[in-house]
Amino acid sequence: NAGVTQTPKFRILKIGQSMTLQCTQDMNHNYMYWYRQDPGMGLKLIYYSVGAGITDKGEVPNGYNVSRSTTEDFPLRLELAAPSQTSVYFCASSYYTDTQYFGPGTRLTVL
Amino acid sequence: GQQVMQIPQYQHVQEGEDFTTYCNSSTTLSNIQWYKQRPGGHPVFLIQLVKSGEVKKQKRLTFQFGEAKKNSSLHITATQTTDVGTYFCAGDYGGATNKLIFGTGTLLAVQP
Repeated sequence: NAGVTQTPKFRILKIGQSMTLQCTQDMNHNYMYWYRQDPGMGLKLIYYSVGAGITDKGEVPNGYNVSRSTTEDFPLRLELAAPSQTSVYFCASSYYTDTQYFGPGTRLTVL
Repeated sequence: GQQVMQIPQYQHVQEGEDFTTYCNSSTTLSNIQWYKQRPGGHPVFLIQLVKSGEVKKQKRLTFQFGEAKKNSSLHITATQTTDVGTYFCAGDYGGATNKLIFGTGTLLAVQP
């Protein structure tokens, strides 16, 4: 099992550009999450999903969108990138209300 | 809103000394989870506490959940250089979504 995989590992965007961060898990987990982590800070939940076709906002959803068409994939879309979105983005999954397994992260810089 | 406070932000110890980090929530938690993140890495699950007053041990690590389910602590006995990293608590306020509110973390530095 690869667990949770994320692509790309690194990305530099210009202000106003858009991109999609990919997240895939092969553990057949129902629940998936997107977090951002700013330097020296904890993780903030952006969006989460409890199953295919079901998504909901977390603490900091503004400027982001998600979709969940399959159990395995949970892409995060950034529209009109802003410097405030410079961060490390982690995707995670869990079977239910227990252990969250994190991907390796995507380091995004917006200039 | 729901908030999880964690102290201290940073602790530097000599190898062999003990270490404790504390977590507090303003409202009652359904459960609390602890994660460790090595520098440059991703968070890795350590444990989940569910019951009021629960105490769990993993080798040199002891986790406690308060009686009121509003606070928690992680204690490491006789730290080793492999314990270096940031320890996060994460509170679950219920609702069967596993939405976690993370504390700001405690960065542990261990000097050999």
